[in-house]
Amino acid sequence: DVKVTQSSRYLVKRTGEKVFLECVQDMDHENMFWYRQDPGLGLRLIYFSYDVKMKEKGDIPEGYSVSREKKERFSLILESASTNQTSMYLCASSSKKRGFYEQYFGPGTRLTVT
Amino acid sequence: DQQVKQNSPSLSVQEGRISILNCDYTNSMFDYFLWYKKYPAEGPTFLISISSIKDKNEDGRFTVFLNKSAKHLSLHIVPSQPGDSAVYFCAASALFEGAQKLVFGQGTRLTINP
Repeated sequence: DVKVTQSSRYLVKRTGEKVFLECVQDMDHENMFWYRQDPGLGLRLIYFSYDVKMKEKGDIPEGYSVSREKKERFSLILESASTNQTSMYLCASSSKKRGFYEQYFGPGTRLTVT
Repeated sequence: DQQVKQNSPSLSVQEGRISILNCDYTNSMFDYFLWYKKYPAEGPTFLISISSIKDKNEDGRFTVFLNKSAKHLSLHIVPSQPGDSAVYFCAASALFEGAQKLVFGQGTRLTINP
């Protein structure tokens, strides 16, 4: 079974703090993604990576950065957390194999910025 | 610009009846469509998918229909069961830099009443 794990289920941070969200997958997937989920807006792509040390901006990258030093690990960084970054953050991974479309998701991190 | 839209935020259905969830898209380049199911405090899980070259795919109680000319897809669940109560996201896939990116709709909350 594919397993995608996220470092925290719940996190509370103060405005201005630097926040690290970690994601690890155990299926040797090339592609990894970070989304945020907000009511009425669905899942929106923040950043994704299709190889180690590679990263591409998604639809809402402002205020975020990412790091992928190892194939299995993809980190999302909030350089200076703000209250509008309070959200559910979801990590996903997928294979680059031809014809493979499904993304596998972690359980999510509920981040609250006060 | 919302490329994938689910216009019904919520749907309530009697147990045993058919649930029909709808999704519209605007980009003709999407080549694959997926439905995900999400319970509270969990990550989305893959439910069923359909290639853009097909018009129907069935898996047990779940059937997805694709109408390319109308840029519309729907998920039918029959018979509906209480465990089907969840948020359902449709997603459309497009290839970018070797990674299949998914664009998600806003989600529809399905409630199955006993």
